[in-house]
Amino acid sequence: EAGVTQFPSHSVIEKGQTVTLRCDPISGHDNLYWYRRVMGKEIKFLLHFVKESKQDESGMPNNRFLAERTGGTYSTLKVQPAELEDSGVYFCASSQDRPGLRFFGPGTRLTVL
Amino acid sequence: GENVEQHPSTLSVQEGDSAVIKCTYSDSASNYFPWYKQELGKGPQLIIDIRSNVGEKKDQRIAVTLNKTAKHFSLHITETQPEDSAVYFCAARGNAGGTSYGKLTFGQGTILTVHP
Repeated sequence: EAGVTQFPSHSVIEKGQTVTLRCDPISGHDNLYWYRRVMGKEIKFLLHFVKESKQDESGMPNNRFLAERTGGTYSTLKVQPAELEDSGVYFCASSQDRPGLRFFGPGTRLTVL
Repeated sequence: GENVEQHPSTLSVQEGDSAVIKCTYSDSASNYFPWYKQELGKGPQLIIDIRSNVGEKKDQRIAVTLNKTAKHFSLHITETQPEDSAVYFCAARGNAGGTSYGKLTFGQGTILTVHP
């Protein structure tokens, strides 16, 4: 069974540019979560999809971040325009069962210069 | 909201020794406490979890204890091996998670180094 995959693995962009991160959850998992770890600090919740609907987006930092999950399969997280403080590692996770969160992707390391 | 503090931030042990990582949480309604291991270049991997109605859980060389009264939980790794070297994160699911069962509050992480 394929795990959670994320693309790209690394992204280096300049301040003000746009970046789109992609997450492919495990097939059949309705729940998809985005988290990020900034500057070696704790991993923080961003948002939660159930199928194509946003269940909880309370962790999204501001309106420069836009997450979508069209068709309830893969998800994208767009940052526009990127700021220096957006640098970090963005993780995606998927699950089918409650309450565990067992399957995380390898993350996308975003560097904003 | 929930707040999780994790200590120590770094831990260095000799192979064969035990390692203990401790976390405290703030939300007394939190009911689920997973631990994750993150190796270089990989995402966090769930290694053990405990629910609030259990005080201790063990899986081979790793164990987790939970003290609800004091609001703290700990990870114990016995007979450490070099391959245990990684970043370990504790997490808690607070009551404010609602139906987002995967909405976790993480600790800051502990870098564990096991020297051969």
